[in-house]
Amino acid sequence: AQSVTQLGSHVSVSEGALVLLRCNYSSSVPPYLFWYVQYPNQGLQLLLKYTTGATLVKGINGFEAEFKKSETSFHLTKPSAHMSDAAEYFCAVSKAAGNKLTFGGGTRVLVKP
Amino acid sequence: NAGVTQTPKFRVLKTGQSMTLLCAQDMNHEYMYWYRQDPGMGLRLIHYSVGEGTTAKGEVPDGYNVSRLKKQNFLLGLESAAPSQTSVYFCASSRAPGTGSTDTQYFGPGTRLTVL
Repeated sequence: AQSVTQLGSHVSVSEGALVLLRCNYSSSVPPYLFWYVQYPNQGLQLLLKYTTGATLVKGINGFEAEFKKSETSFHLTKPSAHMSDAAEYFCAVSKAAGNKLTFGGGTRVLVKP
Repeated sequence: NAGVTQTPKFRVLKTGQSMTLLCAQDMNHEYMYWYRQDPGMGLRLIHYSVGEGTTAKGEVPDGYNVSRLKKQNFLLGLESAAPSQTSVYFCASSRAPGTGSTDTQYFGPGTRLTVL
């Protein structure tokens, strides 16, 4: 069975500081990995995904994530936080294209002025 | 395109009542999903469908039923609501494998359900 662990249910950063959200997964087969963002009272929106190829993936709004197979990690970063980045972020894994997603517990990001 | 829409947005039920949540998508997606979101637990898959007329159980199916009579609609039913089903419910849809863009799931805005 697959599982996803997000370290830290809440993260507080200052505006302009680095955003780092950690995600570790377990999967018996090469995974597809995703980061979704959820703004207050809205559905989930895809930030970025890794399927095959380059392990550094760039997404929307200046976010990127790196797939590290040896560490079974897919951490999300953004060099400079903006107030609009305040949201909840979910890491997810699936076994293959079209397969079901398994989500982590989510990390809520607070951005301080 | 409206994408994925859900009705209703909010609902309050009493224990034992029944209700149906409707999900509709206009992207001609084959796959549709129902999730529930609870604090600290992320989203958990309730049921899913890989095509019209087919459904399958997800991670937490007990107490729920689904139907996919039309490709664009996916209904989630609660026959006898319980307080443990208080949650936010999300519907999602995606293309089938091998049809281009891989397996990005597109989510609706959610339905907030409270069972008293």
